[in-house]
Amino acid sequence: DGGITQSPKYLFRKEGQNVTLSCEQNLNHDAMYWYRQDPGQGLRLIYYSQIVNDFQKGDIAEGYSVSREKKESFPLTVTSAQKNPTAFYLCASSRASDTGELFFGEGSRLTVL
Amino acid sequence: SQQGEEDPQALSIQEGENATMNCSYKTSINNLQWYRQNSGRGLVHLILIRSNEREKHSGRLRVTLDTSKKSSSLLITASRAADTASYFCATGGYQKVTFGTGTKLQVIP
Repeated sequence: DGGITQSPKYLFRKEGQNVTLSCEQNLNHDAMYWYRQDPGQGLRLIYYSQIVNDFQKGDIAEGYSVSREKKESFPLTVTSAQKNPTAFYLCASSRASDTGELFFGEGSRLTVL
Repeated sequence: SQQGEEDPQALSIQEGENATMNCSYKTSINNLQWYRQNSGRGLVHLILIRSNEREKHSGRLRVTLDTSKKSSSLLITASRAADTASYFCATGGYQKVTFGTGTKLQVIP
């Protein structure tokens, strides 16, 4: 079945450590996105990529980094520079169309100890 | 930045009743989407309405769009316990989709 796979589902990190969240899609979508969701709030865009080897900052990119070396993969690194990293992270993808309909993974919950 | 704001923030109804949630947005749009999120899960796309449409149906879902008021509503008819979830409106296109703050719906069996 086609879809988006995020891993790990739960991740614990000590302060000062970098962590990388994986996102893989087999939908052959051109665009991929990372969102952050805090309790009781909407989604905020961290980074997005429309094509391999290219990506743009979203609204809250500080403290995060991404790469897009393959069409299927868009990993997100939460660096030690991110001051409040505890959150639910969602990866999504979409076709190259004007509607922007997004397909989401199941999310990764990061907790900083 | 949040483009959409949903109202109410939370809604509790009995099974079988209708649920209505509203979304207001700030700038002009080409289309508006509604998504559902079950607790601790990813979002699922429900329906998209284009700016030149006023109403759209999909099963028990009815979406309206009033571009003059920059608002949209999502109606779920004959609600079921399985409809318990958070519902988000979203605007934007291919490059950037922006989500509202969501309405948390609880359907009591």
